[in-house]
Amino acid sequence: SQQGEEDPQALSIQEGENATMNCSYKTSINNLQWYRQNSGRGLVHLILIRSNEREKHSGRLRVTLDTSKKSSSLLITASRAADTASYFCATDARETSGSRLTFGEGTQLTVNP
Amino acid sequence: GAGVSQSPSNKVTEKGKDVELRCDPISGHTALYWYRQSLGQGLEFLIYFQGNSAPDKSGLPSDRFSAERTGGSVSTLTIQRTQQEDSAVYLCASSLWGAGETQYFGPGTRLLVL
Repeated sequence: SQQGEEDPQALSIQEGENATMNCSYKTSINNLQWYRQNSGRGLVHLILIRSNEREKHSGRLRVTLDTSKKSSSLLITASRAADTASYFCATDARETSGSRLTFGEGTQLTVNP
Repeated sequence: GAGVSQSPSNKVTEKGKDVELRCDPISGHTALYWYRQSLGQGLEFLIYFQGNSAPDKSGLPSDRFSAERTGGSVSTLTIQRTQQEDSAVYLCASSLWGAGETQYFGPGTRLLVL
């Protein structure tokens, strides 16, 4: 299966709750990135975490990376209805470094007002 | 504009026809990528251009697909003899140097092959 697999595939929460999405990957990476996509169009970069980093914050976003388990998580705190979107992790694998990102199939997050 | 632009936004074509999709990357970005996204799926890598280097075409699904990047800027993705399974959103992205960096995406071209 594909490098970069998110779970859950779909997540529905109430406004104000926290949302956690997970990503697993298979090969060694240089970095891992999270993107957001609204309405099946262009993706927006959220955060990049390098292989030597364990945690990173950006506003209401918190990303962790565990290279021993080949996994990452994205936490959105105090969610808002506007956070409703698909979230993708993408890896820059060392074996293909400099040529591509490999995207997972995404988590569809729905935040109910 | 300052972002990545793509045209057309939507394209409906008949099976067997050729289509051309255009991408204008952010000025000064040396790396350009094409991805394909089928309904409800993740992004499938198609091709990568980096400066004057030979492009990485390893993601192109068949020889009906080709892409060019002229003058290190604008790129055109061509699909010949389109098939219904080519229907998808085609996304272009650019980054300053390469894949290890943030990629900036265009809005995509939604292709429907009837």
